[in-house]
Amino acid sequence: DAGITQSPRHKVTETGTPVTLRCHQTENHRYMYWYRQDPGHGLRLIHYSYGVKDTDKGEVSDGYSVSRSKTEDFLLTLESATSSQTSVYFCAISEAGGNGETQYFGPGTRLLVL
Amino acid sequence: KQEVTQIPAALSVPEGENLVLNCSFTDSAIYNLQWFRQDPGKGLTSLLLIQSSQREQTSGRLNASLDKSSGRSTLYIAASQPGDSATYLCAASGYSTLTFGKGTMLLVSP
Repeated sequence: DAGITQSPRHKVTETGTPVTLRCHQTENHRYMYWYRQDPGHGLRLIHYSYGVKDTDKGEVSDGYSVSRSKTEDFLLTLESATSSQTSVYFCAISEAGGNGETQYFGPGTRLLVL
Repeated sequence: KQEVTQIPAALSVPEGENLVLNCSFTDSAIYNLQWFRQDPGKGLTSLLLIQSSQREQTSGRLNASLDKSSGRSTLYIAASQPGDSATYLCAASGYSTLTFGKGTMLLVSP
């Protein structure tokens, strides 16, 4: 299994509070991704990174920000959590983006916003 | 914008049957097409990756085909087993990102 960890694995928070999720990899892969998975919507890309300090928006980026100060860590921040952000969040890594390389997924973080 | 559709949404078969899962995508300008498996409460596991220049890939009892011109891919599972029960997702690859279908939930009963 690819060395990807996500923390926390479960979190309950209240509306309006900031939340930061962490993804850590030990594979030295260039690309890192944050997805959310919701019933009826499937897996949707929030943000991704193609190098340290290099990030771009995905399909559902509103209300989320990311940072990558080291190759191994990719942080996802909900500045002011809303109930619509209750979801399962997955981090993924890839050596070469979508061009010929697969993505390896972390175990997920279950977030409940009350 | 790429859109990926998977049919059927759910499938229930008895053990031993051969089965086909379908995936269609709207933009044929893809780099590759990938199939993943997801067990309940877990992350995704890569099964097969078909490059845009390829027609199919095989791994054990799994065979995936790709027809870029028609925007279709199929995942064929031979001699299904209860351990194959999971959700199967396909994803179409752009340069840096994947667009996922909503998945097919497969149940193989003993």
